[in-house]
Amino acid sequence: QQQVKQSPQSLIVQKGGISIINCAYENTAFDYFPWYQQFPGKGPALLIAIRPDVSEKKEGRFTISFNKSAKQFSLHIMDSQPGDSATYFCAASIGGGADGLTFGKGTHLIIQP
Amino acid sequence: SAVISQKPSRDICQRGTSLTIQCQVDSQVTMMFWYRQQPGQSLTLIATANQGSEATYESGFVIDKFPISRPNLTFSTLTVSNMSPEDSSIYLCSVKGKLVPSKDSSGNTEAFFGQGTRLTVV
Repeated sequence: QQQVKQSPQSLIVQKGGISIINCAYENTAFDYFPWYQQFPGKGPALLIAIRPDVSEKKEGRFTISFNKSAKQFSLHIMDSQPGDSATYFCAASIGGGADGLTFGKGTHLIIQP
Repeated sequence: SAVISQKPSRDICQRGTSLTIQCQVDSQVTMMFWYRQQPGQSLTLIATANQGSEATYESGFVIDKFPISRPNLTFSTLTVSNMSPEDSSIYLCSVKGKLVPSKDSSGNTEAFFGQGTRLTVV
């Protein structure tokens, strides 16, 4: 049973455009939702995270939107740049983030110059 | 963020042998985890490494195949035992919760990852 479903699997966006990646979860006990960015040959790097008590969090060009009733959350990358080309993973955990993470399957993002 | 060093960074091993992967953190942390990432795939949690006690394994992973040690708050090892080609994967160490106060914004929830160990079993 896949507990965190991520879409799309791959995404191509023009430079300067908005990249949007969506995730849906099943386990209502999840209460911490981070997004990670991974470049080839590197470990995942934390981008931004949100808790269910807020509906949106913004850090620079990255924004998480969270819909608790729909059990969905999404990552928006504004003014997408070629350097943003990477694989993005959403994740979720229980216990305020103290537990290990359940990851989505990832989105391969390509920003075309 | 914590600086996490994993060794080796990569290895090619014969089937039937075992490999021990080391994870060293530059500061004391409360939680350490081990993940597996198969080529082009997502990350799957193997286990939580508990300091001074047996690791807590996720469904589908067992101690005989993936013994884990965590002798202190900065170090852990994962052994992949009796390897087969299906064990070819990237193994990642992750940490949470710095015990030593720091000026950065990291709290007890942010998880940081090492660079991973790329294992090929032939």
